[in-house]
Amino acid sequence: SQQGEEDPQALSIQEGENATMNCSYKTSINNLQWYRQNSGRGLVHLILIRSNEREKHSGRLRVTLDTSKKSSSLLITASRAADTASYFCARGTGSNYKLTFGKGTLLTVNP
Amino acid sequence: GAVVSQHPSRVICKSGTSVKIECRSLDFQATTMFWYRQFPKKSLMLMATSNEGSKATYEQGVEKDKFLINHASLTLSTLTVTSAHPEDSSFYICSARLANYGYTFGSGTRLTVV
Repeated sequence: SQQGEEDPQALSIQEGENATMNCSYKTSINNLQWYRQNSGRGLVHLILIRSNEREKHSGRLRVTLDTSKKSSSLLITASRAADTASYFCARGTGSNYKLTFGKGTLLTVNP
Repeated sequence: GAVVSQHPSRVICKSGTSVKIECRSLDFQATTMFWYRQFPKKSLMLMATSNEGSKATYEQGVEKDKFLINHASLTLSTLTVTSAHPEDSSFYICSARLANYGYTFGSGTRLTVV
């Protein structure tokens, strides 16, 4: 499959805990991006990490990229109930920077 | 920030009819737009890439005669589902690539074919 693979497929945690989601891929990338999607809604861009970067932070979000292992992780610290959503990684590839999405992780943060 | 406005958000149509979905870039020019389809609780599958002023590039397995894409201007791309059938019911989302290699997405269209 050309898709990335996220794990876990579903994650349920308590408010205040950290949530870690992983993404693996098979082909080379220009960049890797993480998105959030609330049920039945469009996607919200969270972070873009380029292939020559190893780590990026944005507020409570931390993304790492290991191109040798072809994997990335998204860490959400001090989670809140409002973080409940599906999270997708997407690989940017090719001259058109086409995005290929992984299967997603459904995160549930319980109050 | 860059916004893509997608309409309609929901549409119900009868089998055999055609439905047009529009995506407009509101405050920037979108040379390239992407159209995705998403089944319930599934990932987004890229259907096609549309470039302003040229023919769309369809992904393998996507019928170009069924899913007509037009990108006639730098601010508007449309997807027309022709002769819709119940199996075409899905969530369709457009996105535009930004200059900084980020992307902005429309809010999606829930299509139900009855």
